[in-house]
Amino acid sequence: QSVLTQPPSVSGAPGQRVTISCTGSSSNIGAGYDVHWYQQLPGTAPKLLIYGNSNRPSGVPDRFSGSKSGTSASLAITGLQAEDEADYYCQSYDSSLSALFGGGTKLTVL
Amino acid sequence: QVQLVQSGAEVKKPGASVKVSCKASGYTFTTFGITWVRQAPGQGLEWMGWISAYNRNTNYAQKLQGRVTMTTDTSTSTAYMELRSLRSGDTAVYYCARGVTLRGNYYMDVWGKGTTVTVSS
Repeated sequence: QSVLTQPPSVSGAPGQRVTISCTGSSSNIGAGYDVHWYQQLPGTAPKLLIYGNSNRPSGVPDRFSGSKSGTSASLAITGLQAEDEADYYCQSYDSSLSALFGGGTKLTVL
Repeated sequence: QVQLVQSGAEVKKPGASVKVSCKASGYTFTTFGITWVRQAPGQGLEWMGWISAYNRNTNYAQKLQGRVTMTTDTSTSTAYMELRSLRSGDTAVYYCARGVTLRGNYYMDVWGKGTTVTVSS
């Protein structure tokens, strides 16, 4: 049971927009800690997708965006493509600076 | 280019120890931290801990306290993670990742390919 709650799965058709939520508490996201997002394609290592709530590393398409409000954060993917099919994880911290991961969300492109 | 190269797969018996290495290249090793994350088969990501390559300060996940030790060797730009008293629940892919400091915490911007550790009698 992860401290950060994500939906186990989301799906969308090519070209559509999907969002993945990450719900925490006043002990982690709500305490002001940043949220970061990672994409894990099948059989590969995770890859940084969004850092500092809403910043994209170089090379990440602007179809991916992140936001944070209160005790939650969201990842939005617009113009869905088949190659976006992957697992997505949010990550934040608690007061002991222990990193916390969400349980992960499997994105299926229909 | 920045990369982290991890050691090869390991098979261990219950009760044994394993030491995984993570060799960094393409950047100044002591400028960043190294995080260790593991992933059990079919499961999500689990943070194990972090070590500063600058001053060797560590922060371990509470559930692994007493069983895990993270170290660095700045002469070879290599980080190590040792896990002792292995049990079947430690079977997982172990990843190292570079930690970039941001506003008092950090994000993991470069990841190794992972090391599979299998614990089986």
